[in-house]
Amino acid sequence: GAVVSQHPSRVICKSGTSVKIECRSLDFQATTMFWYRQFPKQSLMLMATSNEGSKATYEQGVEKDKFLINHASLTLSTLTVTSAHPEDSSFYICSATTSGGGTDTQYFGPGTRLTVL
Amino acid sequence: GQSLEQPSEVTAVEGAIVQINCTYQTSGFYGLSWYQQHDGGAPTFLSYNALDGLEETGRFSSFLSRSDSYGYLLLQELQMKDSASYFCAVRWGAGGFKTIFGAGTRLFVKA
Repeated sequence: GAVVSQHPSRVICKSGTSVKIECRSLDFQATTMFWYRQFPKQSLMLMATSNEGSKATYEQGVEKDKFLINHASLTLSTLTVTSAHPEDSSFYICSATTSGGGTDTQYFGPGTRLTVL
Repeated sequence: GQSLEQPSEVTAVEGAIVQINCTYQTSGFYGLSWYQQHDGGAPTFLSYNALDGLEETGRFSSFLSRSDSYGYLLLQELQMKDSASYFCAVRWGAGGFKTIFGAGTRLFVKA
């Protein structure tokens, strides 16, 4: 099956710093990538949808200036958490799909666990 | 808005059959997916139903009734490794573009 990677898998940073998380589709071209956040023992919450070469679409309540998303190529999307605070500590998961619609399967990355001290 | 309901926890014994139900409310429904997630890991795709009926994949089956806005995941011949969280998720919106996840069902398999 299709493979999606994330880097880093785990990151610890100080409050006020910025952290970049990469999401790559390794063996297919992902026209659409999704970013989710999951707090412990909770469900995945969609943060934003990004299409290659265009601006990301953010879900209600997600600050676009805090969570910067760039989808520069068909295989790479990045999420930058700017001026991170302890409440941003979470499990960030990306997923990728070839077109984003209909029956296309979403392939999930392994996730990035962010801890902000 | 969109909402999904599924039980928070289910416990079963090894070798048994368990059914995890999911009811949903959404506009522009495209289909219902099921994902498995072990502690500390990412979700893995199990199944997708766009049409009414039962889809079988090995020990796992998934059912959908669009008229009832209801689906379920059936796990047969339970194994200890099936202990995990199971999420139902709705594909909705123009082109089935978005996925909304339920809160998840924690399955405990006992020996």
